[in-house]
Amino acid sequence: QSVLTQPPSVSAAPGQKVTISCSGSSSNIGDNYVSWYQQLPGTAPKLLIYDNNKRPSGIPDRFSGSKSGTSATLGITGLQTGDEADYYCGAWDSSLSAGLVFGGGTKLTVL
Amino acid sequence: EVQLMESGGGLVQPGGSLRLSCAASGFTFSSYWMSWVRQAPGKAPEWVANIKQDASGTYYVASVRGRFTISRDNAKNSMYLQMNSLRAEDTAVYYCARDRYSSGWYIDYWGQGTLVTVSS
Repeated sequence: QSVLTQPPSVSAAPGQKVTISCSGSSSNIGDNYVSWYQQLPGTAPKLLIYDNNKRPSGIPDRFSGSKSGTSATLGITGLQTGDEADYYCGAWDSSLSAGLVFGGGTKLTVL
Repeated sequence: EVQLMESGGGLVQPGGSLRLSCAASGFTFSSYWMSWVRQAPGKAPEWVANIKQDASGTYYVASVRGRFTISRDNAKNSMYLQMNSLRAEDTAVYYCARDRYSSGWYIDYWGQGTLVTVSS
């Protein structure tokens, strides 16, 4: 049971847009910034978004992030088959069991 | 280019010990917090522990506190994870990761991972 809640799967056609939600609580998303990671099959996770909506160098602007209250959203436009991957949200949790917490992951299928 | 290379994984019996190593290159290792993150098969990543730049602060997820010890050697650009009293639920790929903090805390680079299997 992950601390942050994501839908298990989403799907869309090539060229379309998809959003992935991430729900938390006041001790994590509500009080801290959100990051997003992409994990292609058989590889390590890769940073996509940090500080809610900032993209590291090299990440295309097709990827975007937003946060409102205790929820966050990852948006991907112009879907490509190469975007098929697992996506995870992350945030620092300021509760007694402080640490970096992750969502359960969302499998993106590009139909 | 930032590179993180883990080693030391393998098969160990329940109750046994294992020491993981992470060799870092391509950045000033001593300037960064570092973390270990694990991922059980088919599951989400789970942050395990992190360590301050000068090793003066270490933090652990509750499930490993008292069993695992994170350490680093800045002269060798290396980080370690000593794992004792291993349990079946510790089975996972263990990633070495570089921490960043700007407005929020996140991981900007991950190694390729090393597999730890706890089984009799």
